[in-house]
Amino acid sequence: TQLLEQSPQFLSIQEGENLTVYCNSSSVFSSLQWYRQEPGEGPVLLVTVVTGGEVKKLKRLTFQFGDARKDSSLHITAAQPGDTGLYLCAGADYGGSQGNLIFGKGTKLSVKP
Amino acid sequence: ETGVTQTPRHLVMGMTNKKSLKCEQHLGHNAMYWYKQSAKKPLELMFVYSLEERVENNSVPSRFSPECPNSSHLFLHLHTLQPEDSALYLCASSQGQGLLGEQFFGPGTRLTVL
Repeated sequence: TQLLEQSPQFLSIQEGENLTVYCNSSSVFSSLQWYRQEPGEGPVLLVTVVTGGEVKKLKRLTFQFGDARKDSSLHITAAQPGDTGLYLCAGADYGGSQGNLIFGKGTKLSVKP
Repeated sequence: ETGVTQTPRHLVMGMTNKKSLKCEQHLGHNAMYWYKQSAKKPLELMFVYSLEERVENNSVPSRFSPECPNSSHLFLHLHTLQPEDSALYLCASSQGQGLLGEQFFGPGTRLTVL
């Protein structure tokens, strides 16, 4: 069974601080996605990374895919209250029969003004 | 309407009721999904439809019955549910199930079973 472990589970920081959240697995994924989910809403796709070692930037958010395509990190610079939410990583496995997404439990981020 | 919409947004039902959740996608996608999101658990994939055919059923109890009449609409019919079925039910769609895997989610239906 493939598992994605996300850490930390909870993170509470002040506005302006930097943070990194992690997504780790013992399995190799064809691609990995990061989503942000706000209370009472569905997850919203932030980025997809495909190539080992790939780095993508989305304003103050930097996403990195591990060289072996087993792990990923999300770094937020100068966090703002609007960054508050549940950050989910999801791995896509095309070695399986269906190529479906495996989700982590998420990191719940709270950014206080 | 754009993206993926779900109705109702909130539903409270008794264990003997029958209700249905509706999902509609306006993205021209050809795959649709039902997920269950409970507290302290990862999103659990329930059903996958690709080109209107069910391609996966992850050991979901028969009290949940999906229906996909066309590529834009997906239903989840509910009957004789249990309190532990209370959760956020999310619908998602994608283009070409199994490619980059990018899925687009609706806002969910918050279901409470009394």
